[in-house]
Amino acid sequence: QVQLQQWGTGLLKPSETLSLTCAVYGGSFSGYYWSWIRQPPGKGLEWIGEIGHSGSTKYNPSLKSRVTISEDTSKNQFFLKLSSVTAADTAVYFCARRHGIYSGSYYGTVYYFDLWGRGTLVTVSS
Amino acid sequence: DIQMTQSPSSLSASVGDRVTITCRTSQSISTYLNWYQQKPGEAPKLLIYAASSLQSGVPSRFSGSGSGTDFTLTISSLQPEDFATYSCQQSYSNNWTFGQGTKVEIK
Repeated sequence: QVQLQQWGTGLLKPSETLSLTCAVYGGSFSGYYWSWIRQPPGKGLEWIGEIGHSGSTKYNPSLKSRVTISEDTSKNQFFLKLSSVTAADTAVYFCARRHGIYSGSYYGTVYYFDLWGRGTLVTVSS
Repeated sequence: DIQMTQSPSSLSASVGDRVTITCRTSQSISTYLNWYQQKPGEAPKLLIYAASSLQSGVPSRFSGSGSGTDFTLTISSLQPEDFATYSCQQSYSNNWTFGQGTKVEIK
């Protein structure tokens, strides 16, 4: 059974860099897109970015200038770095797998997040 | 960005009730809409993808409908384990966005 295990620093000061790791166990790493998603306290989910085929990345435009997502395929791991954090970056950060299923010639491939890590609370405070 | 608006933001219901949650998008997304359930302290769990397809293992009391800009998640008979927050997510544009969530509480 495929599982995502994540870890990283939970308490940061303003201006520091957030670093998280997500490891994929029990399944294939290649062939999927791997995302980071966050949820501020009491708020909705926000997609941060993803890494996929051949290390290609895509980021949420609102965070793009501060985000780097990378991978180590030899270890089935991917990483999030978010620079210059502020209190607004306080959130639970999730790693997730984006899966696609072909739904015919009209709809093409439909995507959804079908596998999630347990989340890491990151607090930014001086 | 495609904006997602859910209503209501919260609701109170009793076991056995029929519950309906609505998600509206800022532009047409065909049926590229997913629904998730999240319990406190847990990661989201996929319930419905492509607006109406039930994810494997999800009880049949959950159903989804809609297309274009208006979508609905229905729980036909609310069970104790269904008290949670439900979120919609669009997969039309690859700047994936989520609704703010609807919290289903016990009446």
